[in-house]
Amino acid sequence: DSGVTQTPKHLITATGQRVTLRCSPRSGDLSVYWYQQSLDQGLQFLIQYYNGEERAKGNILERFSAQQFPDLHSELNLSSLELGDSALYFCASSSTRVGPGLANNEQFFGPGTRLTVL
Amino acid sequence: AQKVTQAQTEISVVEKEDVTLDCVYETRDTTYYLFWYKQPPSGELVFLIRRNSFDEQNEISGRYSWNFQKSTSSFNFTITASQVVDSAVYFCALSEVFTGNTPLVFGKGTRLSVIA
Repeated sequence: DSGVTQTPKHLITATGQRVTLRCSPRSGDLSVYWYQQSLDQGLQFLIQYYNGEERAKGNILERFSAQQFPDLHSELNLSSLELGDSALYFCASSSTRVGPGLANNEQFFGPGTRLTVL
Repeated sequence: AQKVTQAQTEISVVEKEDVTLDCVYETRDTTYYLFWYKQPPSGELVFLIRRNSFDEQNEISGRYSWNFQKSTSSFNFTITASQVVDSAVYFCALSEVFTGNTPLVFGKGTRLSVIA
């Protein structure tokens, strides 16, 4: 058990709908990352938050958004869903501060949310 | 731009054989971190190892060993005396250092099947 929790585990919805995925990082971790794993694109970074602020953005669609709350849990919102959004969405967390020259600690991944868009 | 290449898409071995998973990376950064993760059939991603670019010492952990060669930009992973429980998809990943805690760039993964 990595200590990162994600809910729900599975989500089945229809095209055009909106869903929210939730992530609770390991206790004390300030950084939260969202990744998408699909068959054709592999594991891709979407977005990172650090202590409530957006830190880095990857290949995240404009239909997708995220936030990190004061209690450090994070939510990933996916809207106007398309068939191609079906994927496994992972949340990861890591410890330490961010800043130039600081060590990159390992990221611990949650169990993922499997999204199926029909 | 950073890139990780895992040229072996699938490998199949018989139990007790040794197997090496290849990882080649590209980065313009002089300081970076390399990682290996395991994704068993259950789907979770399990952290295996982190190595920074200044430490080229090979590492051994039980049946697992890692060979980091900066000259060839490779970070290969060897499983000795493979077991059925080693069957999984293995991902190599890279992240830059200078801003700290930056996202991981993953390779496409190598699916390892260990046959009893």
